[in-house]
Amino acid sequence: DAGITQSPRHKVTETGTPVTLRCHQTENHRYMYWYRQDPGHGLRLIHYSYGVKDTDKGEVSDGYSVSRSKTEDFLLTLESATSSQTSVYFCAISHRTGNGEAFFGQGTRLTVV
Amino acid sequence: DAKTTQPPSMDCAEGRAANLPCNHSTISGNEYVYWYRQIHSQGPQYIIHGLKNNETNEMASLIITEDRKSSTLILPHATLRDTAVYYCIVVETSGSRLTFGEGTQLTVNP
Repeated sequence: DAGITQSPRHKVTETGTPVTLRCHQTENHRYMYWYRQDPGHGLRLIHYSYGVKDTDKGEVSDGYSVSRSKTEDFLLTLESATSSQTSVYFCAISHRTGNGEAFFGQGTRLTVV
Repeated sequence: DAKTTQPPSMDCAEGRAANLPCNHSTISGNEYVYWYRQIHSQGPQYIIHGLKNNETNEMASLIITEDRKSSTLILPHATLRDTAVYYCIVVETSGSRLTFGEGTQLTVNP
């Protein structure tokens, strides 16, 4: 399995609090992605990164920010969590441009109460 | 990136071939077709990809029509462990976004 670790795996937080999810990889892959998945829905892209300090928005980026200060870490931050952000969050990595063969983490289940 | 369309659900008998269709009628010449699957609550797993030729690996076969507007993922001898959501996505060779749709829920029945 690709070396990709998400932390925490589960988190319950209160509305209005900041939350940071971490994705750590040991593969030295260039691209990193954050997705959310809600019941009955597929994966929706939140943000992605194509290098250190290089990030771009996905289709559901509102309410989320990201940072990538090192190749191996991609952080997803919910500045002020809302109940609509209750979801399962997946991180993925890919090693080169145009390569759709991505490796996914095991997911983080976030509940905002 | 081109959009894909897949049936929301399909059933297959154990031991039979599962043929999962995907429509990508707006695909352009520099876009590959990729297939993933997601077994309940796990992260998606890459299966196979292709540009215009048919492809086969240890997991599945991918058949792409000559006009490249559709493709079919074939699991030759489906098992209960193949029950999952299968995603077909299109990726531009110079692109970096990986955009998933809703996928097809394949249920393999005993």
